[in-house]
Amino acid sequence: GAGVSQSPSNKVTEKGKDVELRCDPISGHTALYWYRQSLGQGLEFLIYFQGNSAPDKSGLPSDRFSAERTGGSVSTLTIQRTQQEDSAVYLCASSLGLTWAGELFFGEGSRLTVL
Amino acid sequence: AQKITQTQPGMFVQEKEAVTLDCTYDTSDPSYGLFWYKQPSSGEMIFLIYQGSYDQQNATEGRYSLNFQKARKSANLVISASQLGDSAMYFCAMREAGSGGYNKLIFGAGTRLAVHP
Repeated sequence: GAGVSQSPSNKVTEKGKDVELRCDPISGHTALYWYRQSLGQGLEFLIYFQGNSAPDKSGLPSDRFSAERTGGSVSTLTIQRTQQEDSAVYLCASSLGLTWAGELFFGEGSRLTVL
Repeated sequence: AQKITQTQPGMFVQEKEAVTLDCTYDTSDPSYGLFWYKQPSSGEMIFLIYQGSYDQQNATEGRYSLNFQKARKSANLVISASQLGDSAMYFCAMREAGSGGYNKLIFGAGTRLAVHP
């Protein structure tokens, strides 16, 4: 596609439910990143994919968080047994590959609200 | 630990004036990269400018320039000739040391810029 696409754009869920957030990167981009942005804060790194593998998942806050990427393309971030502190905007970004400069292309994010 | 500090929660500027957004950083790694991103109300992050720690010259991209003062560990963003469309959140970020060439970025808390007509 023309840009990074994320869905849903908004998700409201009840505490304890599982949620899945989807990211469709720019076609041909091998690197994919998930970040989290809490209200009024900067972005917090969650996980990085190169192809289908995740060499760095150090930012995942707990074992309730997991992510996968299939076909070197679409990625899904899953949050199990959601908690109120999981409420945030989850941003996905992609790039052509390893890069030392700023060629990260971000989606518009999925806003998660846990009641 | 590496850290990015943006001390200005909010700034405003008159249209067509220049504005400087402050950013200081802390790292013990001699090799690092500094970024500025713009986040309009739509939510997406837009890359503006990049400065490598070994770059001799300050980075410039159109109306954006980065005032890189390595000894002071500051990387301020200068926007010249402000436009109404520049109103947004601005984030300073640093590539984390040892991130192996991929962009594991540490972000500051951001500065909200309002451009007044």
